[in-house]
Amino acid sequence: QQPVQSPQAVILREGEDAVINCSSSKALYSVHWYRQKHGEAPVFLMILLKGGEQKGHEKISASFNEKKQQSSLYLTASQLSYSGTYFCGTEGDNYGQNFVFGPGTRLSVLP
Amino acid sequence: DSGVTQTPKHLITATGQRVTLRCSPRSGDLSVYWYQQSLDQGLQFLIQYYNGEERAKGNILERFSAQQFPDLHSELNLSSLELGDSALYFCASSASDREQFFGPGTRLTVL
Repeated sequence: QQPVQSPQAVILREGEDAVINCSSSKALYSVHWYRQKHGEAPVFLMILLKGGEQKGHEKISASFNEKKQQSSLYLTASQLSYSGTYFCGTEGDNYGQNFVFGPGTRLSVLP
Repeated sequence: DSGVTQTPKHLITATGQRVTLRCSPRSGDLSVYWYQQSLDQGLQFLIQYYNGEERAKGNILERFSAQQFPDLHSELNLSSLELGDSALYFCASSASDREQFFGPGTRLTVL
Protein backbone atom coordinates (compact mmCIF):
# COMPACT_ATOMS: atom_id res chain seq x y z
CA GLN A 1 0.00 0.00 0.00
CA GLN A 2 1.41 3.35 -1.07
CA PRO A 3 2.50 5.69 1.74
CA VAL A 4 1.04 9.17 1.95
CA GLN A 5 3.31 12.20 1.63
CA SER A 6 2.61 15.76 2.68
CA PRO A 7 2.75 18.41 1.55
CA GLN A 8 2.37 17.70 -2.16
CA ALA A 9 4.47 20.72 -2.99
CA VAL A 10 6.35 23.43 -1.16
CA ILE A 11 8.10 26.60 -2.23
CA LEU A 12 10.89 28.03 -0.12
CA ARG A 13 13.33 30.86 -0.18
CA GLU A 14 16.99 29.97 0.10
CA GLY A 15 17.91 29.57 3.76
CA GLU A 16 14.42 28.56 4.94
CA ASP A 17 13.58 25.24 6.56
CA ALA A 18 11.14 22.58 5.37
CA VAL A 19 9.61 19.37 6.68
CA ILE A 20 8.26 16.61 4.48
CA ASN A 21 6.12 13.91 6.04
CA CYS A 22 5.51 10.31 5.05
CA SER A 23 2.99 8.01 6.67
CA SER A 24 1.79 4.47 6.16
CA SER A 25 -1.21 2.51 7.31
CA LYS A 26 0.90 -0.62 7.69
CA ALA A 27 3.61 -1.60 10.12
CA LEU A 28 6.95 -0.66 8.65
CA TYR A 29 10.42 -2.08 8.85
CA SER A 30 12.16 0.76 7.08
CA VAL A 31 11.64 4.12 5.45
CA HIS A 32 13.87 5.36 2.65
CA TRP A 33 14.20 8.89 1.33
CA TYR A 34 15.19 9.76 -2.22
CA ARG A 35 15.47 12.99 -4.18
CA GLN A 36 14.85 13.22 -7.89
CA LYS A 37 15.77 16.26 -9.92
CA HIS A 38 13.90 16.93 -13.12
CA GLY A 39 15.08 14.66 -15.91
CA GLU A 40 17.37 12.66 -13.64
CA ALA A 41 17.26 9.40 -11.73
CA PRO A 42 16.33 9.30 -8.05
CA VAL A 43 19.24 9.57 -5.65
CA PHE A 44 19.35 7.93 -2.23
CA LEU A 45 19.39 10.29 0.76
CA MET A 46 19.01 8.06 3.79
CA ILE A 47 17.30 5.05 5.30
CA LEU A 48 15.69 4.68 8.71
CA LEU A 49 15.23 1.24 10.16
CA LYS A 50 12.81 0.07 12.80
CA GLY A 51 14.52 0.43 16.13
CA GLY A 52 17.14 2.70 14.63
CA GLU A 53 18.03 6.26 15.45
CA GLN A 54 17.39 9.48 13.66
CA LYS A 55 19.80 9.84 10.81
CA GLY A 56 21.06 12.50 8.57
CA HIS A 57 23.68 14.92 7.52
CA GLU A 58 24.25 18.40 8.78
CA LYS A 59 21.33 20.03 7.04
CA ILE A 60 19.19 17.09 5.94
CA SER A 61 17.96 14.71 8.58
CA ALA A 62 15.03 12.41 9.17
CA SER A 63 13.13 10.70 11.92
CA PHE A 64 11.00 7.57 12.09
CA ASN A 65 8.13 7.20 14.53
CA GLU A 66 7.50 3.46 14.63
CA LYS A 67 4.34 3.71 16.68
CA LYS A 68 2.70 6.05 14.22
CA GLN A 69 4.35 4.52 11.12
CA GLN A 70 5.47 7.99 10.16
CA SER A 71 8.70 9.52 8.99
CA SER A 72 9.68 13.12 8.54
CA LEU A 73 12.47 14.59 6.45
CA TYR A 74 13.95 17.85 7.74
CA LEU A 75 15.71 20.24 5.41
CA THR A 76 17.49 23.01 7.25
CA ALA A 77 18.71 26.25 5.73
CA SER A 78 17.71 25.05 2.28
CA GLN A 79 19.94 25.60 -0.70
CA LEU A 80 19.04 26.00 -4.35
CA SER A 81 20.41 22.51 -4.95
CA TYR A 82 17.72 21.05 -2.69
CA SER A 83 15.07 21.64 -5.35
CA GLY A 84 13.53 18.48 -6.69
CA THR A 85 10.93 15.88 -5.87
CA TYR A 86 11.36 13.98 -2.64
CA PHE A 87 10.06 10.45 -2.43
CA CYS A 88 9.74 8.33 0.64
CA GLY A 89 9.80 4.57 0.16
CA THR A 90 8.51 2.10 2.68
CA GLU A 91 9.26 -1.51 3.38
CA GLY A 92 6.67 -3.49 5.26
CA ASP A 93 7.27 -5.24 8.53
CA ASN A 94 6.20 -8.62 7.21
CA TYR A 95 8.43 -10.82 5.09
CA GLY A 96 7.77 -10.46 1.39
CA GLN A 97 6.16 -7.05 1.58
CA ASN A 98 7.09 -4.94 -1.36
CA PHE A 99 9.06 -1.77 -1.30
CA VAL A 100 6.65 1.04 -2.23
CA PHE A 101 7.34 4.68 -3.04
CA GLY A 102 5.07 7.53 -2.01
CA PRO A 103 3.69 9.96 -4.60
CA GLY A 104 6.44 12.51 -3.96
CA THR A 105 6.72 16.07 -2.64
CA ARG A 106 7.88 18.72 -5.05
CA LEU A 107 10.25 21.17 -3.40
CA SER A 108 11.25 24.41 -5.07
CA VAL A 109 13.91 26.61 -3.51
CA LEU A 110 14.01 30.14 -4.84
CA PRO A 111 16.87 32.63 -4.51
CA ASP B 1 27.30 8.09 -11.92
CA SER B 2 25.55 5.40 -9.87
CA GLY B 3 27.34 2.52 -11.57
CA VAL B 4 24.07 1.11 -12.88
CA THR B 5 23.73 1.10 -16.65
CA GLN B 6 20.59 0.85 -18.72
CA THR B 7 20.18 0.40 -22.44
CA PRO B 8 18.81 1.74 -24.61
CA LYS B 9 18.48 5.31 -23.40
CA HIS B 10 15.53 6.01 -25.67
CA LEU B 11 13.16 3.68 -27.45
CA ILE B 12 10.40 4.58 -29.87
CA THR B 13 8.09 1.87 -31.05
CA ALA B 14 4.53 1.24 -32.20
CA THR B 15 1.51 -0.19 -30.43
CA GLY B 16 1.42 -3.95 -30.40
CA GLN B 17 5.16 -4.32 -30.55
CA ARG B 18 7.53 -5.97 -28.07
CA VAL B 19 10.67 -4.43 -26.58
CA THR B 20 13.42 -5.47 -24.20
CA LEU B 21 15.07 -3.14 -21.74
CA ARG B 22 18.41 -4.08 -20.29
CA CYS B 23 19.99 -3.28 -16.95
CA SER B 24 23.47 -3.96 -15.61
CA PRO B 25 23.69 -3.55 -11.84
CA ARG B 26 26.62 -2.18 -9.89
CA SER B 27 29.43 -4.63 -9.47
CA GLY B 28 28.58 -7.00 -6.65
CA ASP B 29 24.95 -5.97 -6.24
CA LEU B 30 22.68 -8.99 -6.19
CA SER B 31 19.32 -7.22 -6.18
CA VAL B 32 17.75 -5.56 -9.19
CA TYR B 33 14.54 -3.57 -9.10
CA TRP B 34 12.43 -2.30 -11.99
CA TYR B 35 10.26 0.81 -11.76
CA GLN B 36 7.93 2.60 -14.14
CA GLN B 37 7.56 6.37 -13.98
CA SER B 38 4.95 7.99 -16.19
CA LEU B 39 5.04 11.68 -17.02
CA ASP B 40 4.94 13.67 -13.78
CA GLN B 41 4.01 10.54 -11.89
CA GLY B 42 5.61 8.73 -9.04
CA LEU B 43 7.69 5.60 -9.15
CA GLN B 44 5.69 2.44 -9.56
CA PHE B 45 7.49 -0.67 -8.39
CA LEU B 46 7.27 -3.46 -10.95
CA ILE B 47 9.45 -6.33 -9.81
CA GLN B 48 12.57 -7.27 -7.86
CA TYR B 49 15.10 -10.00 -8.48
CA TYR B 50 17.72 -11.24 -6.08
CA ASN B 51 20.58 -13.34 -7.38
CA GLY B 52 18.53 -14.67 -10.27
CA GLU B 53 15.34 -15.36 -8.36
CA GLU B 54 12.17 -13.30 -8.29
CA ARG B 55 11.85 -11.80 -4.81
CA ALA B 56 8.93 -9.39 -4.96
CA LYS B 57 6.30 -8.41 -7.45
CA GLY B 58 4.50 -5.10 -7.62
CA ASN B 59 2.10 -3.61 -10.12
CA ILE B 60 3.51 -5.43 -13.11
CA LEU B 61 1.15 -6.16 -15.97
CA GLU B 62 0.87 -9.67 -17.36
CA ARG B 63 2.19 -8.30 -20.67
CA PHE B 64 5.43 -7.47 -18.88
CA SER B 65 8.03 -9.93 -17.72
CA ALA B 66 11.55 -9.80 -16.39
CA GLN B 67 14.46 -12.01 -15.59
CA GLN B 68 17.88 -11.82 -14.03
CA PHE B 69 20.69 -13.75 -15.62
CA PRO B 70 23.63 -15.58 -14.01
CA ASP B 71 25.88 -12.58 -14.63
CA LEU B 72 23.26 -10.56 -12.66
CA HIS B 73 22.18 -8.31 -15.50
CA SER B 74 18.43 -8.07 -15.90
CA GLU B 75 16.01 -7.61 -18.74
CA LEU B 76 12.49 -6.25 -18.70
CA ASN B 77 10.33 -7.45 -21.57
CA LEU B 78 7.29 -5.43 -22.54
CA SER B 79 4.90 -6.94 -25.08
CA SER B 80 1.68 -5.97 -26.86
CA LEU B 81 2.60 -2.40 -26.14
CA GLU B 82 -0.10 0.21 -25.62
CA LEU B 83 0.06 3.98 -25.68
CA GLY B 84 -0.23 4.02 -21.91
CA ASP B 85 3.00 2.09 -21.58
CA SER B 86 4.95 5.17 -22.61
CA ALA B 87 7.05 6.03 -19.59
CA LEU B 88 10.49 6.21 -18.09
CA TYR B 89 11.63 2.80 -16.90
CA PHE B 90 14.24 2.76 -14.17
CA CYS B 91 16.31 -0.08 -12.95
CA ALA B 92 17.98 0.07 -9.55
CA SER B 93 20.41 -2.24 -7.84
CA SER B 94 21.21 -2.88 -4.23
CA ALA B 95 23.75 -4.88 -2.31
CA SER B 96 21.75 -5.32 0.83
CA ASP B 97 18.09 -4.62 0.07
CA ARG B 98 18.68 -1.20 1.55
CA GLU B 99 20.15 1.68 -0.40
CA GLN B 100 19.12 1.49 -4.04
CA PHE B 101 21.25 2.92 -6.81
CA PHE B 102 19.25 3.97 -9.83
CA GLY B 103 20.30 3.76 -13.44
CA PRO B 104 19.68 6.68 -15.82
CA GLY B 105 16.48 5.14 -17.13
CA THR B 106 15.09 4.12 -20.50
CA ARG B 107 12.51 6.44 -22.00
CA LEU B 108 9.94 4.40 -23.91
CA THR B 109 7.62 6.10 -26.35
CA VAL B 110 4.81 4.07 -27.88
CA LEU B 111 3.22 5.63 -30.95
